[in-house]
Amino acid sequence: RKEVEQDPGPFNVPEGATVAFNCTYSNSASQSFFWYRQDCRKEPKLLMSVYSSGNEDGRFTAQLNRASQYISLLIRDSKLSDSATYLCVVNSALSGNTPLVFGKGTRLSVIA
Amino acid sequence: EAGVAQSPRYKIIEKRQSVAFWCNPISGHATLYWYQQILGQGPKLLIQFQNNGVVDDSQLPKDRFSAERLKGVDSTLKIQPAKLEDSAVYLCASSLEGLAGGTDTQYFGPGTRLTVL
Repeated sequence: RKEVEQDPGPFNVPEGATVAFNCTYSNSASQSFFWYRQDCRKEPKLLMSVYSSGNEDGRFTAQLNRASQYISLLIRDSKLSDSATYLCVVNSALSGNTPLVFGKGTRLSVIA
Repeated sequence: EAGVAQSPRYKIIEKRQSVAFWCNPISGHATLYWYQQILGQGPKLLIQFQNNGVVDDSQLPKDRFSAERLKGVDSTLKIQPAKLEDSAVYLCASSLEGLAGGTDTQYFGPGTRLTVL
C-alpha cells in the first residue's frame, strides 16, 4: 500500500462548482498534513496546512480524520485559476527530521 | 524576498553522461532539500541538509547520485553516470529551520527538467 494515496483525476468541473479531493495515508504515526498546489510545469506551493479541528481559508476547506487516516480538500465556487494539481502531503514525526511524503496529486481542470 | 534559485532550468544529456544541478536557497534558510519528481508522480525526497550536514539521504541512489552543501548555503546535486530512468524534474526546496514534524514551510525552486536520451 502506498504511503499517501490520491485519486489522480482529472476532475473536470464547470466554474462555480464545488469539488472535493480525498487522500488516505498509511502511517498511523503521521503528525503533520498539508495540501500543496502545483501548476503545470511549475513548482509545488503550500496551499494550506490541515489541522485536526479542520480549517478554512476562503473558498478552501481542509479536514482530517485521524481514525480513518483520511484527509480532504473542498473547493467551493471554483475559478478558472484553481486549475492545477493538488498534492496531499504527510509528515510522520514529532521529533527528528523525517521527510515529507507527497501523493501523486489530483489534477483539477475548471472549465468556463 | 528572492525565492529559491536553481540552474540550469533544462538539461538534455545522453545516458552514461554526467550532469550537475545547482541550488541557492532563500537567504537565512538553514535546511535545504533535493527532490526528484518523475512525470505523473509527486516529489520524492532525495536528500536533506541542515546547514552543511546531511540529515536524511536514505532515498538517494548513492551509487550514482551525490550532493553537497559545503558552506551551508548553495548546494549541488550530481548524477554520474545518468540512466534513462533519471529523466525527471529535480526540485530544490528550503525552509527556515527544518522543524520536526515538517511544520516548517518548504519553499520550492522552479526545478531543473532533466531529459536523459
